[in-house]
Amino acid sequence: QSVLTQPPSASGTPGQRVTISCSGSTSNIGINTVNWYQQLPGTAPKLLIYSNNQRPSGVPDRFSASKSGTSASLAISGLQSEDEADYYCAAWDDTLNGWVFGGGTKLTVL
Amino acid sequence: EVQLVESGGGLVQPGGSLRLSCAASGFTFSTYDMHWVRQATGKGLEWVSTITTAGDTYYPGSVKGRFTVSRANAKNSLYLQMNSLRVGDTAMYYCAGGTWWGQGTLVTVSS
Repeated sequence: QSVLTQPPSASGTPGQRVTISCSGSTSNIGINTVNWYQQLPGTAPKLLIYSNNQRPSGVPDRFSASKSGTSASLAISGLQSEDEADYYCAAWDDTLNGWVFGGGTKLTVL
Repeated sequence: EVQLVESGGGLVQPGGSLRLSCAASGFTFSTYDMHWVRQATGKGLEWVSTITTAGDTYYPGSVKGRFTVSRANAKNSLYLQMNSLRVGDTAMYYCAGGTWWGQGTLVTVSS
């Protein structure tokens, strides 16, 4: 049981916009920033979004994210087949004094 | 080019020990908090430890008292000493810092 809650799966067709939610609490998302990670099949995770909505260099602007209260969401517009991956949210938890992750969302491009 | 290269994984019996290493290059290692994150096969990501630039360390309850994270800034290296290993510690272990992740090293705990 993950501290942050994500839907286990999401899907979309090429060109569509999909969103992935991440629900937390007042001790994590409510007071700390959220990161999002992309893990392509068979590879290491990659930082996709940091500090709620900032993209590292090289991440396409098709990827965006937002935070409101104790929830966050990742949006992918202009969906492409290469976006098929697992996506994880994460935040520092002040009660647990450590990082907590969502259980991951498997994105399928139909 | 930034690189994080983990090493030291392998097969160990329950109750045994392993020391993982992570060699960093391409960025100013000493200025970043560093983390270990693990992933069991087919499962999600699990945070294992953090060491700050000041040397403060943090662990989840599942490894506290058994794992010790350390760093050697002069060698641009991060370490994870794992003792009293359990079957449940079997996973790929990733080193991460800043916006970068390594490719991982596999730890298998089995008799």
